This record gives sequence, C-alpha cells and structure tokens, in this order.
Amino acid sequence: QKEVEQDPGPLSVPEGAIVSLNCTYSNSAFQYFMWYRQYSRKGPELLMYTYSSGNKEDGRFTAQVDKSSKYISLFIRDSQPSDSATYLCAMTTNAGGTSYGKLTFGQGTILTVHP
Amino acid sequence: NAGVTQTPKFRVLKTGQSMTLLCAQDMNHEYMYWYRQDPGMGLRLIHYSVGEGTTAKGEVPDGYNVSRLKKQNFLLGLESAAPSQTSVYFCASTPTGRNIQYFGAGTRLSVL
Repeated sequence: QKEVEQDPGPLSVPEGAIVSLNCTYSNSAFQYFMWYRQYSRKGPELLMYTYSSGNKEDGRFTAQVDKSSKYISLFIRDSQPSDSATYLCAMTTNAGGTSYGKLTFGQGTILTVHP
Repeated sequence: NAGVTQTPKFRVLKTGQSMTLLCAQDMNHEYMYWYRQDPGMGLRLIHYSVGEGTTAKGEVPDGYNVSRLKKQNFLLGLESAAPSQTSVYFCASTPTGRNIQYFGAGTRLSVL
C-alpha cells in the first residue's frame, strides 16, 4: 500500500462547478501538507500549504486537513477552464530537519474544466 | 531569477546509450532532488542532495547516478539507458530548514 493515495481521475467538470480533490495517507507523523498544480508539460508549482489540521482559504481554493482521519482535501469554487491541470498532494513530517525537505507525493488527479 | 533550469528539455536515446541531465538553480538552495514522473505513479524520488559534495538514494535509484560538485548544479546520469527509463524527469530545490520545493520544467526522455 502506498503511503499517500490519490484518485488519479481523470475528473471532468463544467465551468462554475465546485471541485473536490482528496488524498488519504497512512503515516501519522505527517504534519505539513501541500497541494501542487501542474499544467501540461510544465513542472509542479505550489498552490496551497498547510500545517497540521484545519482549513486554509486562498481565493477560490480551500485546503482542509483532518489528521484524525488521515485525509486532506482541496476544494475549488467556481472552477474555470484555466484550472485544468494535474493536482498533486504532498506531505512531510517536518520543515527541513532530518527529512531534508523530502516530500511524499500522491499520484496526482487530472482535472479538466470545460466551458 | 531563472529559478530551476533543466537541460535538455527533450531527448531520445537508444537502449544502452548514456546521457547526463543537468539541473541548475540560482536561488542558493542547499537541498536538491531528482524525480521521475510516470502516468498514474506521481513523482518518485530518484536521488537527492543536502549540500555540495553530498548525494543520497531516494525511492527508485537503480540505473541512475548523480553528482553535486557545485552547490547550484545537480547532475543525473544514465550510464546504460533502458526502455523502462522512458519518463519525464524533474529537478527541484529547497532552502535549508524548509520543505517547499521549487521545480524545473522537466526533461522528456524516450529510450527506444
């Protein structure tokens, strides 16, 4: 079993829909959780960053972490065609230290928002 | 700032050929990483470096070698390419004490 599981999709939604992307994990030591967005033929770029449990909102994007369930989510409100990309969850145990900044990634979910 | 630059962007190799992928970062980051990305597999760590002159194995190191002779450069080598190494390779870097990684644009490698 992978340490981080993410439904690869693909997920296709109409413009304006609310999108929910999810990851589950097995390592209870994970404390830092991220979502990266990757456009076609580009490198991943950081979209959201959260520490421990709770919610974080940034414009149309909301990241949720539920450490008790080992479950994280990314919600996209009023989705736009420009949101079409692959979304990768990532997590780690600490900030630097003995993890040396290493991240464990999910498989990525391919999202298409059609007009 | 250019950030993280990968060279080349595309390459086609024949089985058994060798090549080196170059990653250069201008952000003075200590930590650097090489990943491969395959459909449905996410990003898998090949090797990483925590400073000039140091390297360590990641999740899928077999068939690859790396060197970090200068802080800003991290090289990934394939000594004898195999079709199983057909993939998209990404380099990333992180400053000391942080865990946000900054990625290059990737190298698409096909081994025939």
